[in-house]
Order: sequence, then structure tokens, then C-alpha cells
Amino acid sequence: AQSVTQLGSHVSVSEGALVLLRCNYSSSVPPYLFWYVQYPNQGLQLLLKYTSAATLVKGINGFEAEFKKSETSFHLTKPSAHMSDAAEYFCAVSVSTGNQFYFGTGTSLTVIP
Amino acid sequence: EPEVTQTPSHQVTQMGQEVILRCVPISNHLYFYWYRQILGQKVEFLVSFYNNEISEKSEIFDDQFSVERPDGSNFTLKIRSTKLEDSAMYFCASSSGTSPHTDTQYFGPGTRLTVL
Repeated sequence: AQSVTQLGSHVSVSEGALVLLRCNYSSSVPPYLFWYVQYPNQGLQLLLKYTSAATLVKGINGFEAEFKKSETSFHLTKPSAHMSDAAEYFCAVSVSTGNQFYFGTGTSLTVIP
Repeated sequence: EPEVTQTPSHQVTQMGQEVILRCVPISNHLYFYWYRQILGQKVEFLVSFYNNEISEKSEIFDDQFSVERPDGSNFTLKIRSTKLEDSAMYFCASSSGTSPHTDTQYFGPGTRLTVL
């Protein structure tokens, strides 16, 4: 079975500081990994995805994530937080044996001025 | 930019009543999905739909749930007899269908269902 664990339901960073949101996955087959962001009263929007090509994936709004098989991780980073980054972030995994996504519980990011 | 839309944004119903949640997927997409998120919990997969039939469903998607694509644009989720534990945010999503496992799923803003 597939699953993801997001460590830290709430993360606070100062504006301009590094953003690090953690995601670890569990999968018995090669995974495909996704990060989505949800702003208040909006749907989930794709930030980036890993589909077995380059392990370092760059997404929108300056975010990137690195797939580390040895650590079963896909952490999301951004060098410098902006106020507009405040949102809920979800990590998700899918595999080739099905078409559903398995989501984590989400991490709420607060950016402090 | 094309987007997935959902109506209503908030639905309040009495336990035992039927509800229909509506979604308009992106027009040229072929795969459609329903997910739900109970407050404070994970976003959970309910069902996927392709070529006018269910492609995959989870354990949550029992006989009280059904999906339908009644016309060329709408995709609906029906809950026949709502229970208190059905209270959740329901998200509709669609994807192009080129490669279902890696395609981006585009999500709607959700319908918050409250069962009293």
C-alpha cells in the first residue's frame, strides 16, 4: 500500500527565511510524487511533481523538491519565503498500478513579517 | 486558464437525506475523480471515472455513493442517505488521461457538506 507522512502540521517561518516542508512516502513500487498547495477557499493547485526523471524537481513560485529514494523523502523547499506563500501544502503519491492519489494530512505554512 | 468548478460551495442537509454534489471538469479531460477531506484529516480518494464507468474506487465508496456523468460537461457525486460522518469537504478533480498515474490532477475548490 502507498502512503505519505507529512511531519509538522504547522510550520512558521519569517519572511525571507528558508521554507522546508517535509514529506516521507511509503510505496512497494516506484512512486510518483506531487506537491499541491491550497489557498483559502480555493482548490488544490499543483506546485511540482516527480515522475521518475530528474530527482531535483523545480516547480512554480520558486519551490523545488528532491526525490531521495534512500531516505524515502520528497521534501519541499524554497530559499526565501514570501508572505504570499502562506497556505496549506499537501504531499501526494501515486503508482503505476492505480490512478488514485494518496495524500498526506497537509502542512499549514505561516509566514511572519 | 481552464479550471474545475464545483457547486454548491456549501451544502447543509439532514441525516438520511440525499445530496448531489456537482462538478464541471476541464472540458478536454478524460479522467474524473472525487476526494473528500474530513476536518483535520487526510484528503482521501473516493472514486475515479473514465469512459463512462468507474475506473477505481476506495473502501469508502460504498453502496450509498454513486457517480454519474449525465451530460458532456457535468460530473456528479450522489450520497443516497447521508450520515453524520459524511460531513466533509468534497473535492472534484480531472486529468487529461494521457498517463493517469503521472498526469496532473486539477482540483476544484470543493463543496463543504454538513450533515445535521
